[in-house]
Amino acid sequence: DSGVTQTPKHLITATGQRVTLRCSPRSGDLSVYWYQQSLDQGLQFLIQYYNGEERAKGNILERFSAQQFPDLHSELNLSSLELGDSALYFCASSAGTGSYGYTFGSGTRLTVV
Amino acid sequence: GEDVEQSLFLSVREGDSSVINCTYTDSSSTYLYWYKQEPGAGLQLLTYIFSNMDMKQDQRLTVLLNKKDKHLSLRIADTQTGDSAIYFCAENLSGYSTLTFGKGTMLLVSP
Repeated sequence: DSGVTQTPKHLITATGQRVTLRCSPRSGDLSVYWYQQSLDQGLQFLIQYYNGEERAKGNILERFSAQQFPDLHSELNLSSLELGDSALYFCASSAGTGSYGYTFGSGTRLTVV
Repeated sequence: GEDVEQSLFLSVREGDSSVINCTYTDSSSTYLYWYKQEPGAGLQLLTYIFSNMDMKQDQRLTVLLNKKDKHLSLRIADTQTGDSAIYFCAENLSGYSTLTFGKGTMLLVSP
C-alpha cells in the first residue's frame, strides 16, 4: 500500500456521461497530481494542486476539471465522456515540490462504452 | 522541449544483468527518476538521481547519467522473474515540479 488511495478501482460508463474520480494523498503530502495512462499516449500529466490551489496544468481537456479540498483529497471530474477517454487515471502525491519523486496510487480504470 | 525516449521492450534470462536506456532532450532537467509498474498496479519509485551526479547505486540497481549525451540508464544486476514489469524514466525540469515520463520499457525475464 503506497498510502495514496484512489476510488473507484474500476468504472464502466456510457458515452456522454460524467464521472468523478477520487484521490486521498499520502498523509502529510500537500501536492496532488493527476495523470492519464493510455496505450498510445503513455503517461500524460493532467493537472497539479498544491494545498488547495491549482499549481500546474498539462494536457487536460476542457471537459475535464479537478479540485483539491481543504482536507487535501482531490477529485477529477470527467464529463461528456467519449470512447477515447477510456484509460487508467492515476493520482500521485508529494510532500512539496516533488523533487524526490511522487507516490502513486493504484489507479482508476475507466472504460467508456 | 520536453521529450523522454525509451526503447519499448527488453528480454533477458534470469540471473543476467538488464540495462534499460533512456534519453531526454531538456538539458535543464535537474532530477531524473526510474519507476516500475507491475501489471494492474501503480507506479513505484525505484530510484532518482540529481543532475550533478554521474552514478548512483542502490543494492541491485545502478543508475548512470551522461549529461553530455542526455542519456540515463538503469542496470539491474542478477535479474529475477519478479523484476518483470514496465520501467519508466522520468525527468523533472528545473523550476517545475511536474514529471515528464517516457512511454516505458517492458522488461521480460525468462527462467
